[in-house]
Amino acid sequence: QSALTQPASVSGSPGQSITISCTGTSSDIRDSNYVSWYQQHPDKAPKLIIYDVSNRPSGVSNRFSGSKSGNTASLTISGLQAEDEADYYCSSYIITNTLDVVFGGGTKLTVL
Amino acid sequence: EVQLVQSGAEVKKPGEFLKISCKGSGYRFTSYWIGWVRQMPGKGLEWMGIIYPGDSDTRYSPSFQGQVTISADKSISTAYLQWSSLKASDSAMYYCVRRPTDTSNIDPWGQGTLVTVSS
Repeated sequence: QSALTQPASVSGSPGQSITISCTGTSSDIRDSNYVSWYQQHPDKAPKLIIYDVSNRPSGVSNRFSGSKSGNTASLTISGLQAEDEADYYCSSYIITNTLDVVFGGGTKLTVL
Repeated sequence: EVQLVQSGAEVKKPGEFLKISCKGSGYRFTSYWIGWVRQMPGKGLEWMGIIYPGDSDTRYSPSFQGQVTISADKSISTAYLQWSSLKASDSAMYYCVRRPTDTSNIDPWGQGTLVTVSS
């Protein structure tokens, strides 16, 4: 199972909005509603910020939103803040074996 | 509070045996899958496999099949990841995660266990 495709890096200024894409295939993202996003700060464990394509766990800022169209899922962060600078990973369950999970390669977000 | 607490960092030599642990608390341990995720230095996340502590049903991602063993002891709410013969390429951070069956709400994550394999 190949990793999902994410841009290596994105950047934005405080207050702006950015979007990170995550491209998969018909074996995962396109036919799955089980897409998640994680935020990872340096030397910290990943933190779940979006699950089931567009749901936010309790306590996660509403500046984070998720969506999906076809083979591509997207994470949008609005009103960028310095604390948003981190690595972001997407994941999807695999249609033919929903106990298996595939991750994206990760995107480094820099807040200018 | 739902928590997964992992065992501490390990430094081992190539060829040695290692078993790391992940203890769950704050929820019914036997009702959720526990997964393991590898993160090599400076790299991304890789799904290794998963176990259902209720009946020890275990599945491995193809890349990790035969390379590691996942187990659980439901009497002490603890899952394990073990290697029978470590290689230098096993050096990485390993995370355990709680995984529901019917949502992608993979949460919480353990704090991670750093494994260093060096001669």
